[in-house]
Amino acid sequence: AQSVTQLDSQVPVFEEAPVELRCNYSSSVSVYLFWYVQYPNQGLQLLLKYLSGSTLVKGINGFEAEFNKSQTSFHLRKPSVHISDTAEYFCAVSSTGTASKLTFGTGTRLQVTL
Amino acid sequence: KAGVTQTPRYLIKTRGQQVTLSCSPISGHRSVSWYQQTPGQGLQFLFEYFSETQRNKGNFPGRFSGRQFSNSRSEMNVSTLELGDSALYLCASSSAGGPYEQYFGPGTRLTVT
Repeated sequence: AQSVTQLDSQVPVFEEAPVELRCNYSSSVSVYLFWYVQYPNQGLQLLLKYLSGSTLVKGINGFEAEFNKSQTSFHLRKPSVHISDTAEYFCAVSSTGTASKLTFGTGTRLQVTL
Repeated sequence: KAGVTQTPRYLIKTRGQQVTLSCSPISGHRSVSWYQQTPGQGLQFLFEYFSETQRNKGNFPGRFSGRQFSNSRSEMNVSTLELGDSALYLCASSSAGGPYEQYFGPGTRLTVT
């Protein structure tokens, strides 16, 4: 079984500042890692995914994440945030055996202000 | 290409009733997964259907069931509703299952009174 821990439930940040949303996972098998974003009253949208290969993954809207196997982390970063980035962000993991079954973290609310 | 559609978007039911939610995947997608989202438990995997067969199942009681039709549309059913079943139910489709990008619908907000 896998589990995901998102260490911050809320992250306030000023517009144009950098941000990092933290995610740690636990698994006894190889995993795939994902970051999703959820805007109010909407479903989830995939920001980026790590399947294999390069540990630095670039996604949509200027986001990137780095897979660190030794620290079992997959932190999400953006060098300069915009008001429109205000949303809930979810880290998720699936195992290579049941790849379509996503286990989600509890989410981090990113609040961007002027 | 049209996205994942879910109907109805909002639903109010009484405890003890049953409910059926519908999900139409993106055209050509054969895998449909269902998730329950609540403030207390977060996002939890219910089950996944691929080519009309349940391929993966989460840890939910048997009151939660689903099926998939030959056109890949999927339904989930919850019988004997409990107050704790109030949640946003999300459907996601992908082209072949596996670690492919899952496209989520807007969800059905179920309220049990």
